[in-house]
Amino acid sequence: DTAVSQTPKYLVTQMGNDKSIKCEQNLGHDTMYWYKQDSKKFLKIMFSYNNKELIINETVPNRFSPKSPDKAHLNLHINSLELGDSAVYFCASSQPGQGADGYTFGSGTRLTVV
Amino acid sequence: AQKVTQAQTEISVVEKEDVTLDCVYETRDTTYYLFWYKQPPSGELVFLIRRNSFDEQNEISGRYSWNFQKSTSSFNFTITASQVVDSAVYFCALSEAISGYSTLTFGKGTMLLVSP
Repeated sequence: DTAVSQTPKYLVTQMGNDKSIKCEQNLGHDTMYWYKQDSKKFLKIMFSYNNKELIINETVPNRFSPKSPDKAHLNLHINSLELGDSAVYFCASSQPGQGADGYTFGSGTRLTVV
Repeated sequence: AQKVTQAQTEISVVEKEDVTLDCVYETRDTTYYLFWYKQPPSGELVFLIRRNSFDEQNEISGRYSWNFQKSTSSFNFTITASQVVDSAVYFCALSEAISGYSTLTFGKGTMLLVSP
């Protein structure tokens, strides 16, 4: 069983469209994250949710809206997609208070905006 | 603010050579965690090691070894007898605990190319 799964793996879309990336974890972790890896391979935190509540928002444009229906899911919705949004988006999960033990990444979603 | 520096952008070696990837970090926390991840061409992030700030023992796992030195704020990674399959981008990362929640601050990565 995949611990942190993201769908879709690849997403190609036109500028101006709205798209969503889904993430699910079956590890029982309370905390989930979205990271963005840009074209230069730089990885940076975007959001963090703990038990469905937003705890970290790293100055991400309002066009990005994470949604956590339950603690096992953290979806990322992006409105009015721009060329600069092209990147690989990684979902991750961990259990808080355990020193980042068990920090687990999904396999990534490569978003290409044309 | 936390910072991770991987000064080597790209390293090229020939198979069977030993190679060391450098990682220097900055943090004001007394408790923190350091990670290394491997990102092969397929794109996934492969966890290699997690080390807490109180454990300065060096670690060896097969051909991989890690040297953690708090005095120089470094957490270097050595691959012994490199193989073509080691070709990947390697990331060093530092965890930041905000009220118990850990976000990772990544270095910019070192691309390792191992040629036959």
